[in-house]
Amino acid sequence: DAGITQSPRYKITETGRQVTLMCHQTWSHSYMFWYRQDLGHGLRLIYYSAAADITDKGEVPDGYVVSRSKTENFPLTLESATRSQTSVYFCASGWGSGSNQPQHFGDGTRLSIL
Amino acid sequence: GQNIDQPTEMTATEGAIVQINCTYQTSGFNGLFWYQQHAGEAPTFLSYNVLDGLEEKGRFSSFLSRSKGYSYLLLKELQMKDSASYLCAVRSGNAGKSTFGDGTTLTVKP
Repeated sequence: DAGITQSPRYKITETGRQVTLMCHQTWSHSYMFWYRQDLGHGLRLIYYSAAADITDKGEVPDGYVVSRSKTENFPLTLESATRSQTSVYFCASGWGSGSNQPQHFGDGTRLSIL
Repeated sequence: GQNIDQPTEMTATEGAIVQINCTYQTSGFNGLFWYQQHAGEAPTFLSYNVLDGLEEKGRFSSFLSRSKGYSYLLLKELQMKDSASYLCAVRSGNAGKSTFGDGTTLTVKP
């Protein structure tokens, strides 16, 4: 089935560790996004990608790295995790500014850093 | 940058009508989206406005005034399942990215 999937759904790790969150979409959407959502807050954009091999910073990029070698995949890496990065991470995909179509979200990854 | 404001919380009664407001400041406005997010779940799309006026989809309607930087989401015939967070998101510029408000948590009471 077409859709967007994130893995893992839950992750617990320790400060200083590297952790990678995976995102895969089957719609062939050009754009993909990573957000974090902290308790009581909306979604804050970390990084986004307009196409394969094109990525750009969002509102809160520090401490994160992304890549997009294939259109369907957009992994997010925390190179040295910190407690402040404990959050729920959502991946989304969609079309560009000329489209009336919304972003479609994955189910999220709940990341806890001890 | 962009500034998006929504009320933090609202409470309404089952069967009633509720209006959730969103005000924004942005340059290069390119569309406004409303999403619904139940606790512990992903946001799901409700409505889209790019021109001024009202868009109606069943029990949900959304209004936009670009000159005032203002939108609202209207929910009619409220049901208990409408208890959720409602996120206003503004898209601007040529990129496909949007900026989200902090969301309005709606509680529907019997």
